[in-house]
Amino acid sequence: ETGVTQSPTHLIKTRGQQVTLRCSSQSGHNTVSWYQQALGQGPQFIFQYYREEENGRGNFPPRFSGLQFPNYSSELNVNALELDDSALYLCASSFASGNTQYFGPGTRLTVL
Amino acid sequence: ELKVEQNPLFLSMQEEKNYTIYCNYSTTSDRLYWYRQDPGKSLESLFVLLSNGAVKQEGRLMASLDTKARLSTLHITAAVHDLSATYFCAVGGTGTASKLTFGTGTRLQVTL
Repeated sequence: ETGVTQSPTHLIKTRGQQVTLRCSSQSGHNTVSWYQQALGQGPQFIFQYYREEENGRGNFPPRFSGLQFPNYSSELNVNALELDDSALYLCASSFASGNTQYFGPGTRLTVL
Repeated sequence: ELKVEQNPLFLSMQEEKNYTIYCNYSTTSDRLYWYRQDPGKSLESLFVLLSNGAVKQEGRLMASLDTKARLSTLHITAAVHDLSATYFCAVGGTGTASKLTFGTGTRLQVTL
């Protein structure tokens, strides 16, 4: 059974640029959630996708957007990057909304 | 707005002694999760607690839930160095409320 994978592992961008992060869900899982974890803090919920539809969103501006594909993999897009967007971005998958979420290794984004 | 608080934030533990981490949350919720995070790594699922009075144990870790008090505890028995990590509790629900709201995290350090 393949776990949750994310790419890339690390990324450095400059302010104003755009970034796309990718996530492959664990085999058999149809729900993907994205979280932002700033240094020394707990993860903050960005949004969740269930069967290709957005299924809840946290307090993040519209420049954070996402997609889920028919194979349940997902993308997180962030436009107009700001310095405060520097964080570890975690993707989690689960079988249906509400079940235990299993986290990927994360993508560490640095915005200069 | 749901708030999740953990205490202590940092715990320096001596080997072979017992300790407890507390997790308080502000509103009724369906599920309480405990995750472990090693430095620079992702989150590892430890326990999910679904009902009042639920108790789960794995090795030296035991988690319990009191939904009336909105309190979960993670008890560590006879601490060993391998338990050094940051532990998060997270509150979640079902359906559109299935996002996880994380606590601040408790950093455990076991000293020899």
